[in-house]
Amino acid sequence: DTEVTQTPKHLVMGMTNKKSLKCEQHMGHRAMYWYKQKAKKPPELMFVYSYEKLSINESVPSRFSPECPNSSLLNLHLHALQPEDSALYLCASSQDMPSPDTQYFGPGTRLTVL
Amino acid sequence: GEDVEQSLFLSVREGDSSVINCTYTDSSSTYLYWYKQEPGAGLQLLTYIFSNMDMKQDQRLTVLLNKKDKHLSLRIADTQTGDSAIYFCAEVEGSSNTGKLIFGQGTTLQVKP
Repeated sequence: DTEVTQTPKHLVMGMTNKKSLKCEQHMGHRAMYWYKQKAKKPPELMFVYSYEKLSINESVPSRFSPECPNSSLLNLHLHALQPEDSALYLCASSQDMPSPDTQYFGPGTRLTVL
Repeated sequence: GEDVEQSLFLSVREGDSSVINCTYTDSSSTYLYWYKQEPGAGLQLLTYIFSNMDMKQDQRLTVLLNKKDKHLSLRIADTQTGDSAIYFCAEVEGSSNTGKLIFGQGTTLQVKP
């Protein structure tokens, strides 16, 4: 089983709202990732967690706040977003990090900021 | 820094073979990947190849790696309409040892019936 699940599938929020995106994997992977993808563009890495600790933050604005409550779950807390933050947010996981290891992606959450 | 380049668009007829090309710059990359993204969906891992291999075949998919020219290709035999999607080539960033993926811009494959 190489499944990564994400909820919700779609999210519409105002600029003053607080919301969270959730990601879950049960493959025993110890590295989890958040990516942002704009239409017709490749995914851009935002955060990486390795063994439940934040190991990479790609200079993401503080209105995005990641959290890894346990080895299977990854959250992305959203607050005071801007319309330009509208995008597909993808979660991925891999066996281990640091090491080049295959990343498996979830279906994504389509976020619209009004 | 590392860079991955792909052509943006390819159109083929159903039943033909499709060849999607990719070039990369990081000679220390150990893994190279092909991901498929259908409209509105996440990225599906199609296949990958280790840098010490020249070729990998998996059913209708054939990956060729030319390390000297830093060129990677994905051949899809007997292309079907269900193969219509965006195909991303990706390499692992070798210099930082973080497992960070560097993606190409993606090739949109259009399959005409």
